[in-house]
Amino acid sequence: AQSVTQPDIHITVSEGASLELRCNYSYGATPYLFWYVQSPGQGLQLLLKYFSGDTLVQGIKGFEAEFKRSQSSFNLRKPSVHWSDAAEYFCAVGGFTGGGNKLTFGTGTQLKVEL
Amino acid sequence: DAGITQSPRHKVTETGTPVTLRCHQTENHRYMYWYRQDPGHGLRLIHYSYGVKDTDKGEVSDGYSVSRSKTEDFLLTLESATSSQTSVYFCAISEGPLYEQYFGPGTRLTVT
Repeated sequence: AQSVTQPDIHITVSEGASLELRCNYSYGATPYLFWYVQSPGQGLQLLLKYFSGDTLVQGIKGFEAEFKRSQSSFNLRKPSVHWSDAAEYFCAVGGFTGGGNKLTFGTGTQLKVEL
Repeated sequence: DAGITQSPRHKVTETGTPVTLRCHQTENHRYMYWYRQDPGHGLRLIHYSYGVKDTDKGEVSDGYSVSRSKTEDFLLTLESATSSQTSVYFCAISEGPLYEQYFGPGTRLTVT
């Protein structure tokens, strides 16, 4: 079965600092990978996705993520964090499994930005 | 933003009562999903639909049922609400099973 681990429950960074949020997945073949962001009281918004091809993926709001098959990782990065980036971030993996083609979400990383 | 609405947005109900949550989309997407979000658990899939009258269970389907009689509407029913079903419920839609999903604003349900 596919699974996703986001090892950091909370992360605090200073505004202007760089950011990396970790995501590790478990899946037997090439997965479909996503990062979503959720602001308080809101639904989830797609930041970026990886299906195939270039392993460095650009997304909205200046975010990027790199797919590393050897490490089973899909870490999210941003070179300079803005106070408005404070939110919860979810990594998700999808694949063709016996139980149907569905996405599995990680438990999320809460990002706090210090001014 | 994808055209997804959920109703009601907030609901308080008593244990043992039936509750129905509605998800409505204007995107004509084939797939629709119901998730619940709880602290420490992320999003967990309850049920999903891959077409009108075609539905399947997710990982936390016990105590929930769904129906989809029209492309645009996907209903989630708690037949007899329990306190463990207090949660925030999100509907999502997608064009295909592994396409990106677009989420509604959520429904906060409290079962007392």
